Amino acid sequence: EVQLVESGGGLVQPGRSLKLSCLASGFTFSNYGMNWIRQAPGKGLEWVASISSSSSYIYYADTVKGRFTISRDNAKNTLYLQMTSLRSEDTALYYCARQSLGFAYWGQGTLVTVSS
Amino acid sequence: DIQMTQSPASLSASLGETVTIECLASEDIYSNLAWYQQKPGKSPQLLIYYANSLNDGVPSRFSGSGSGTQYSLKINSLQSEDVSIYFCQQNYDSPPWTFGGGTKLELK
Repeated sequence: EVQLVESGGGLVQPGRSLKLSCLASGFTFSNYGMNWIRQAPGKGLEWVASISSSSSYIYYADTVKGRFTISRDNAKNTLYLQMTSLRSEDTALYYCARQSLGFAYWGQGTLVTVSS
Repeated sequence: DIQMTQSPASLSASLGETVTIECLASEDIYSNLAWYQQKPGKSPQLLIYYANSLNDGVPSRFSGSGSGTQYSLKINSLQSEDVSIYFCQQNYDSPPWTFGGGTKLELK
């Protein structure tokens, strides 16, 4: 069974940093591109970042480019999102999702709240 | 970036009714379109990929169609468990991937 489990969310002050993790199981992690997608409270879905299976290709939404860094450790079956210079508008539930003909598998999400 | 315009934003329908949700892309996405269902408090679930392919385990009352810039999701014989928010998403070529604004489906 495919499982994606996010962690690392929490309350953080504006301008500070936070690192999210997504532990994958039930599939060969190194074969799939992975993504971070977020959802602000009561709002729609916003794609944040993508990384290819071997980390050769990395993409970011304009809203996070230069502040967030996506990475992965295929030996640990783990996806990461390093977030710096956090803003109030980054407050959201952050999901990791596996790439294949759309986002076929999602984690349960980890909540990031940016507030003083 | 490709923009996705989804309509309507909200929809109220009766049990057994057929409902249709539309999604318009700002340019041709060559059927690289997915539909998701999100129930309250849950993660989104993939319903349809490549515009008209039903994901495993999705009831056959759901169907997708369209091409070019215009796509639709149809739900036949609406059930109570279909009350959700539905999102379209384009995955043409390379990121940025973009979602429609969502359609909130309620029972009348």
